[in-house]
Amino acid sequence: DVKVTQSSRYLVKRTGEKVFLECVQDMDHENMFWYRQDPGLGLRLIYFSYDVKMKEKGDIPEGYSVSREKKERFSLILESASTNQTSMYLCASSLYRGAGELFFGEGSRLTVL
Amino acid sequence: DQQVKQNSPSLSVQEGRISILNCDYTNSMFDYFLWYKKYPAEGPTFLISISSIKDKNEDGRFTVFLNKSAKHLSLHIVPSQPGDSAVYFCAARRGDTDKLIFGTGTRLQVFP
Repeated sequence: DVKVTQSSRYLVKRTGEKVFLECVQDMDHENMFWYRQDPGLGLRLIYFSYDVKMKEKGDIPEGYSVSREKKERFSLILESASTNQTSMYLCASSLYRGAGELFFGEGSRLTVL
Repeated sequence: DQQVKQNSPSLSVQEGRISILNCDYTNSMFDYFLWYKKYPAEGPTFLISISSIKDKNEDGRFTVFLNKSAKHLSLHIVPSQPGDSAVYFCAARRGDTDKLIFGTGTRLQVFP
């Protein structure tokens, strides 16, 4: 089975702090994604990556950056956390470009005070 | 601009009956559609998909119907079971990208 692991299930941070959300997949998938889920808004794409050191902006990249130094690891970085970034963050991966189906991690619930 | 819409935030169905979840989209370039199920405190899990070259795909109790002219798809669950109670998201993708655009979700409750 594909395993997508997000390092922290729950985080509480203060406004202005730098936040790292880590994601690791164990099935040699090429593509990795970061979404956030908010009530009434569904899942919105923040960033995605087709390959190591490659990244592309999704629909809501403002306030976020990403890092993909190794194929299996995709990190989401909040340089200066703000209260409107309080959300559920979901990492996903897919086997190759055009594969369609995404495999999701269990999510990281971030609260910014 | 919500390209994928699920206009019913919630649905309540009796066990054994049919559940019908609906999804509308606006972008005619979408060519692949998926349904995901999400339990609380878990990530979404893939349920079923359909390509735009088809109008129906079936997998056990789950069937997805696609009406391209109406830009509408639906998920039918027959018979519904209490374990089906979850939030269901539809998602769509254009052929030239791996970005999935998700709807806002429909919370399904199946009661005994």
